[in-house]
Amino acid sequence: AQSVTQPDIHITVSEGASLELRCNYSYGATPYLFWYVQSPGQGLQLLLKYFSGDTLVQGIKGFEAEFKRSQSSFNLRKPSVHWSDAAEYFCAVGAVSSASKIIFGSGTRLSIRP
Amino acid sequence: ETGVTQSPTHLIKTRGQQVTLRCSSQSGHNTVSWYQQALGQGPQFIFQYYREEENGRGNFPPRFSGLQFPNYSSELNVNALELDDSALYLCASSSRTSGGTDTQYFGPGTRLTVL
Repeated sequence: AQSVTQPDIHITVSEGASLELRCNYSYGATPYLFWYVQSPGQGLQLLLKYFSGDTLVQGIKGFEAEFKRSQSSFNLRKPSVHWSDAAEYFCAVGAVSSASKIIFGSGTRLSIRP
Repeated sequence: ETGVTQSPTHLIKTRGQQVTLRCSSQSGHNTVSWYQQALGQGPQFIFQYYREEENGRGNFPPRFSGLQFPNYSSELNVNALELDDSALYLCASSSRTSGGTDTQYFGPGTRLTVL
């Protein structure tokens, strides 16, 4: 079955500290992988995506993610978080053959400690 | 800003009523997908429309239906509303290529409350 697991429901980090949000997926086909961010009451903003090529992907707002096929993971990282990064983060996966359906994880809520 | 707009922003209905939500796609996009996001959960795929035809459907009953118009705007219709239909409804537009790969860009959503 296709699924995305974000094992951390809520993470709190200090401003300026590094961040890593975990994502594991289960997908029969070659996946397309995404990270989206959602501020309270808002829609989803695309942070970055992996389709093919270099497994280290750079995104907006200083975020990056690394695709590790052997571990079925696509973890999101940022070297130094800012208070404005506090939000809900969703990992998602789609199919190479047809990205019509994107499966989302349940999200990780990020809080920033001043 | 993604260029995807949704209306209305908020909506309150009572159980058994019908509702129509609207989405205007980003310029140049020919595909629209709808998602339901319950409180505290990730979005769940409802269905997708491509060239005015349904192109994939998630695990939602037939009382969830949609339309896509020639200008690629879209509607989501829900009949016989139930309390569990209360959620944020997200529209996402994308540009489908022959290879089938696309990135979906989301609108701000419509918050539906069913009383």
